[in-house]
Amino acid sequence: GAVVSQHPSWVICKSGTSVKIECRSLDFQATTMFWYRQFPKQSLMLMATSNEGSKATYEQGVEKDKFLINHASLTLSTLTVTSAHPEDSSFYICSGPGLANSEQFFGPGTRLTVL
Amino acid sequence: DQQVKQNSPSLSVQEGRISILNCDYTNSMFDYFLWYKKYPAEGPTFLISISSIKDKNEDGRFTVFLNKSAKHLSLHIVPSQPGDSAVYFCAAAGGTSYGKLTFGQGTILTVHP
Repeated sequence: GAVVSQHPSWVICKSGTSVKIECRSLDFQATTMFWYRQFPKQSLMLMATSNEGSKATYEQGVEKDKFLINHASLTLSTLTVTSAHPEDSSFYICSGPGLANSEQFFGPGTRLTVL
Repeated sequence: DQQVKQNSPSLSVQEGRISILNCDYTNSMFDYFLWYKKYPAEGPTFLISISSIKDKNEDGRFTVFLNKSAKHLSLHIVPSQPGDSAVYFCAAAGGTSYGKLTFGQGTILTVHP
């Protein structure tokens, strides 16, 4: 299957700072990538759809000004958590679409802890 | 509003026996269903999928069954192996939201040697 990488794999930051998470498709090009968030013992929740060359599409309830998404190229999407607070601590995962209908390949995830 | 539900948070099975993981959905627009396996601190790994035009799809030890009238799907793993121990998520897609996946809460499967 396709390979998606994320960087960093974990990050600890102070409240009020901004954190950037990178998502790269290593062996395919993606005009669309997806960002999910998973809280402990909960499901993966889609946050937004990242679109290459245009604005991201955010799911209901997700603050677009807080979670900035940039899809600068066909292999890179970034998620910036601005002015992070402890409640933003979560596991953030990106994915890229596969060849089959709706199949997605997920990155390894980024564990964010905001102190 | 939880559109995809996995009502069993955990399942424990003996090695060699069958594991059956269940998933229910409420949105009749869903037309494609997937199962993912996930280890802690890792991204989900795709296992198997099924289109709504089918009621069964098999891949090695994994079989997914779909009952559209009941809006229910299940994943069968046989024989179960200790390496299958992980969290299993079912996910659904369909309608106008191409590519978007709605996940269930996950079921922790533990396979005992």
